[in-house]
Amino acid sequence: SQELEQSPQSLIVQEGKNLTINCTSSKTLYGLYWYKQKYGEGLIFLMMLQKGGEEKSHEKITAKLDEKKQQSSLHITASQPSHAGIYLCGAASGTYKYIFGTGTRLKVLA
Amino acid sequence: NAGVTQTPKFQVLKTGQSMTLQCAQDMNHNSMYWYRQDPGMGLRLIYYSASEGTTDKGEVPNGYNVSRLNKREFSLRLESAAPSQTSVYFCASSSNRGTDTQYFGPGTRLTVL
Repeated sequence: SQELEQSPQSLIVQEGKNLTINCTSSKTLYGLYWYKQKYGEGLIFLMMLQKGGEEKSHEKITAKLDEKKQQSSLHITASQPSHAGIYLCGAASGTYKYIFGTGTRLKVLA
Repeated sequence: NAGVTQTPKFQVLKTGQSMTLQCAQDMNHNSMYWYRQDPGMGLRLIYYSASEGTTDKGEVPNGYNVSRLNKREFSLRLESAAPSQTSVYFCASSSNRGTDTQYFGPGTRLTVL
């Protein structure tokens, strides 16, 4: 069965620093989703990537899907305390079947 | 436009008690899902409803039942709660195809004593 592995599991960065979170799949991805979760809240949809080599940006967050469609990265430029939370990658592993990574916990020190 | 809403936000039950978690979406989505989130386990699918009138088991359906009341509402019932069902429960919805982006509710934090 398909699995998503995220790295690192946790990250502490100083405000203003750049950071990258990775998501690796055991099989080819046909749709990769990035979500952000704050404690006590639901998952907020950030971006979806479908095509090999695709890159999307929203404010200071950029997500990329590699050409082989087995790895995605989420890059935050000039991090701010508001970026703190848990970042999850998810993928459709079949019709109506979604899988998720276990998340990367990000803390940004002011 | 509220998106996906869930009630209650928090609940404490004793072993053996029953309860129903409610979920509603106002995005006119066809598909709805129930997940549980546990530390180190990520999100696991309990049940899903591809469209109004249909429900199917996910990865961890034991101990749960669901009802797709109408297009907007999808409820999750615990008939006899067990401590192993202590978790955070999320409802999600997606539009037409089973591979579309899912949108999540705020979650219900359930503790079973």
